[in-house]
Amino acid sequence: EADIYQTPRYLVIGTGKKITLECSQTMGHDKMYWYQQDPGMELHLIHYSYGVNSTEKGDLSSESTVSRIRTEHFPLTLESARPSHTSQYLCASSLRLGGDEKLFFGSGTQLSVL
Amino acid sequence: GQQVMQIPQYQHVQEGEDFTTYCNSSTTLSNIQWYKQRPGGHPVFLIQLVKSGEVKKQKRLTFQFGEAKKNSSLHITATQTTDVGTYFCVTGTASKLTFGTGTRLQVTL
Repeated sequence: EADIYQTPRYLVIGTGKKITLECSQTMGHDKMYWYQQDPGMELHLIHYSYGVNSTEKGDLSSESTVSRIRTEHFPLTLESARPSHTSQYLCASSLRLGGDEKLFFGSGTQLSVL
Repeated sequence: GQQVMQIPQYQHVQEGEDFTTYCNSSTTLSNIQWYKQRPGGHPVFLIQLVKSGEVKKQKRLTFQFGEAKKNSSLHITATQTTDVGTYFCVTGTASKLTFGTGTRLQVTL
């Protein structure tokens, strides 16, 4: 149904490394989001974007940064990864449905920082 | 921020039994969405409810929005093993959709 892609699917890296998680969508959606989810827990919004050159921080404090230079691309970067960053990162884009937004998720990136 | 609690946190049923998860908010909601996340997967949109007292059905799934628009429920009739996963209610503004705490459903034969 949805054309939103995340790479890599799994990533294991050492502490202090810089990493970028990729997210792309081909649906032309203006709004995109990054959520963080620990195993068995709810999703927490860490970043969102209304469109090109628009980015905002979400409810959960995060040391990551994002950019939105093109509509279809919304990468997330960690300058110096730490074990506390170990989690699943889910990218989503949205389509307006009635009064709110319907989210389409990518398959996620499972990040492990050693 | 807005908090949305779901109960139960976890439920284990035998195939064929019914299942219900409840979503409760302390504030009035403009609308509510439900998502399903299979183990190891990503959340998938199920439905959106907008009107007070609204009831919608999708095959064995029945979704209801409370009259006061502060709660919602998802009921599954005669569960199947394919229903396994975590069910999230989601609400909030257009810019910040907040996920509930989720209910994990386990179905065994």
